[in-house]
Amino acid sequence: QSVLTQPPSVSAAPGQKVTISCSGSSSNIGNNYVSWYQQLPGTAPKLLIYDNNRRPSGIPDRFSGSKSGTSATLGITGLQTGDEADYYCGTWDNRLSAVVFGGGTKLTVL
Amino acid sequence: EVQLVESGGGLVQPGGSLKLSCAASGFTFSGSPIHWVRQASGKGLEWVGRIRNKDHSYATTYGESVKGRFTISRDDSENTAYLQMNSLKTEDTAVYYCTRLSYSTSSWYFDLWGRGTLVTVSS
Repeated sequence: QSVLTQPPSVSAAPGQKVTISCSGSSSNIGNNYVSWYQQLPGTAPKLLIYDNNRRPSGIPDRFSGSKSGTSATLGITGLQTGDEADYYCGTWDNRLSAVVFGGGTKLTVL
Repeated sequence: EVQLVESGGGLVQPGGSLKLSCAASGFTFSGSPIHWVRQASGKGLEWVGRIRNKDHSYATTYGESVKGRFTISRDDSENTAYLQMNSLKTEDTAVYYCTRLSYSTSSWYFDLWGRGTLVTVSS
């Protein structure tokens, strides 16, 4: 059972928009910044979003992040088949003194 | 090339030990905190632990599931971090990634990951 809760799967058609939620508590998301990672099949995770809503260089603006209270959201617009991957949110948990991740969300582009 | 390369994975019996390495290149390794994250087959990411840099006395912190069994160390002269795993259990079977922590003006994030090394604990 992950400390951060994500939906197991989401799906949408090419060109459409999808959002992935990440729910936590005051000990983690509520008082810390969130980052998001994309894991394409058979590869290592890759940084997608940091500081809740900032994109590293090279990440297209189709990807966006937001945070409100104890929840964070990853948004992806203009979906492409190459976006099919697992997506993870992560942050620090002050009570556990540990990095915590969501359970991951599998994105299917139909 | 900026990269992290893990090695040392393999098959080990329950109760056994294994030491993983994480070799860094292309950046100033000595300044970077290094974390280990694992992923069991078909499962999500699980944080294993971290080692900070010399400025922070090489402090280590571990996840609850490995505390007391795993030890993270580093050799800045060799640009390498290590994960010593003792008293291994079948539930430690996973791909182990090392990852670099970097800082923004606000917070931190994992911006560089290795490809991972597979550890299988089985009799």
